[in-house]
Amino acid sequence: SAVISQKPSRDICQRGTSLTIQCQVDSQVTMMFWYRQQPGQSLTLIATANQGSEATYESGFVIDKFPISRPNLTFSTLTVSNMSPEDSSIYLCSGTTSGDANTGELFFGEGSRLTVL
Amino acid sequence: AQKITQTQPGMFVQEKEAVTLDCTYDTSDQSYGLFWYKQPSSGEMIFLIYQGSYDEQNATEGRYSLNFQKARKSANLVISASQLGDSAMYFCAMRLIFGAGTRLAVHP
Repeated sequence: SAVISQKPSRDICQRGTSLTIQCQVDSQVTMMFWYRQQPGQSLTLIATANQGSEATYESGFVIDKFPISRPNLTFSTLTVSNMSPEDSSIYLCSGTTSGDANTGELFFGEGSRLTVL
Repeated sequence: AQKITQTQPGMFVQEKEAVTLDCTYDTSDQSYGLFWYKQPSSGEMIFLIYQGSYDEQNATEGRYSLNFQKARKSANLVISASQLGDSAMYFCAMRLIFGAGTRLAVHP
């Protein structure tokens, strides 16, 4: 298994501001991902966080809105920029200890619940 | 592109009975893996079970088993001897893509 911790666990933000979520994983994690879970919905992949280079974004997500960094193997940040109420969601950091996302189970952080007023 | 379909928004089961949660998938890949996760009301995501496309046996993990029918592209989760603590959302996933989920309620 792998230990993944993220913070903040929750926050209430004002429209137009930005918030950065931090994620720390243990050294067994090879690949890191960021998900969004809107209220009552499933998980949607935002991007794969790549160490030392730009993240790989999924369709519908752009770097200007969700800048992601991964300066080293065990740390990543997700920023939600210029927030609107539609950004109110749970943001989940996840990782796998497998080198192949096709076969390795995902481990998840506790999630960061953002409410945008 | 991969697609995961869970057609049961909600399911009910009596405690100690078995329940099957449906999952169908679509992929053009020959090699792939299917996962099931549990999300209790606390919000944490818990990995339950994995099935590889080339695995000859259906996966089992304790009270969880997978009814994998490759030709039908289905990977249904079977929970035996349901417990009250099994009440949660259950997600089927393939290659980082999650289905819509099924909310399971276990009744005493």
